Amino acid sequence: EAQVTQNPRYLITVTGKKLTVTCSQNMNHEYMSWYRQDPGLGLRQIYYSMNVEVTDKGDVPEGYKVSRKEKRNFPLILESPSPNQTSLYFCASSMGRRTEAFFGQGTRLTVV
Amino acid sequence: GENVEQHPSTLSVQEGDSAVIKCTYSDSASNYFPWYKQELGKGPQLIIDIRSNVGEKKDQRIAVTLNKTAKHFSLHITETQPEDSAVYFCAQTAGNQFYFGTGTSLTVIP
Repeated sequence: EAQVTQNPRYLITVTGKKLTVTCSQNMNHEYMSWYRQDPGLGLRQIYYSMNVEVTDKGDVPEGYKVSRKEKRNFPLILESPSPNQTSLYFCASSMGRRTEAFFGQGTRLTVV
Repeated sequence: GENVEQHPSTLSVQEGDSAVIKCTYSDSASNYFPWYKQELGKGPQLIIDIRSNVGEKKDQRIAVTLNKTAKHFSLHITETQPEDSAVYFCAQTAGNQFYFGTGTSLTVIP
């Protein structure tokens, strides 16, 4: 089954404790993105990757890192999480930037 | 970043009526305009998209219109059903990035 898998689904952590949210897709897609969703603000792109070893900042990259060592995986790293990073995070993949994006189920992160 | 303005933020319609959601954008070079539906507890799913070389696209009860001159595009849902209740997002690509609208919460009243 074609899918985008994120883990974990829910995470509560403390300020400053490094964490990684994993994202994996099985569709051989080249384009992958991370978004955060906040009430009233919609989905905002954090980082995107056009292909392996090619990543770039989206609209709200501050406080986040990503890597794309393999085509299927695109982890999101928060080196020192802060409460303002409490949000619902989505990973997405697509063949290109002008084709259908497939989203994961989301990761609800709370930073206390 | 690029702006995508979406209106209204909430919309309630009677079952069987039509619903229209509008978005405006600022980047005249944009050429791909998808619409996503997000149900509670799930990730967004594409319902329809349009490219800049066409003005309208229809898929059963859903249609999207694009006015490149005015830089706006709209989602039309006809004969609404309770299962159409969800949050809808418009989006556009500018360069290599995706920009989403702020969402419209649609409620279809049986």
